[in-house]
Amino acid sequence: QITLEESGPTLVKPTQTLTLTCTYSGFSLTAFGVGVGWIRQPPRKALEWLALIYWDDDVRYSPGSKNRITITKDTSKNQVVLTLTNVNPVDTATYFCVHSVTTGSFDFWGPGRVVTVSS
Amino acid sequence: QSVLTQPPSVSGVPRQRVTISCSGTFSNIGNNGVSWYQQLPGKAPKLLIYYNDRVRPGVSDRFSGSKSGTSASLAISGLRSEDEADYYCGAWDDTLSDSLFGGGTKLTVL
Repeated sequence: QITLEESGPTLVKPTQTLTLTCTYSGFSLTAFGVGVGWIRQPPRKALEWLALIYWDDDVRYSPGSKNRITITKDTSKNQVVLTLTNVNPVDTATYFCVHSVTTGSFDFWGPGRVVTVSS
Repeated sequence: QSVLTQPPSVSGVPRQRVTISCSGTFSNIGNNGVSWYQQLPGKAPKLLIYYNDRVRPGVSDRFSGSKSGTSASLAISGLRSEDEADYYCGAWDDTLSDSLFGGGTKLTVL
């Protein structure tokens, strides 16, 4: 079955770079149409899509964060990495890794990684 | 403020049918499929509906989705206490090149 799990720091200082890793299983990110991405949710707020990387290396970024975000994949390790530069307290959120085979729809989610940005 | 607009809250009693609306524009709901997610307290969201009205396999048939023009709805029939959760709609936006979510609707089962 498809599973995804996020890992990375839970506390990051302002201006630092946040790096989160998604380790997945049960599918191949080289299969046609498959994508893995990131969605975050600030405390008590709505979901916000950040980025998606596809089987063919195509990448999509949210316009609101594209200047600070990079998403990469390593299919040999079954991992997708999200990098967010110059973090500030508004980046405090639960970060979810997601699987997608349909544009704008996310059918499998990791449990989430709570990240706090604070000095 | 979200581009996709949902009511902040809805409520119902057990066995009742409730609907949650999601309003957008031509560039998102009007031209793309709508998905619906259920988020139980402290949990990751779970996909319920995709492509407007397709119930994900394994999801109860008490959940149904529909779309008309630039609006979509999620209906829950035979309401149960375990349905109490936050519900989000989502759709791709062609103009913004962004995957959007609504602000979420909190369902309370009285």
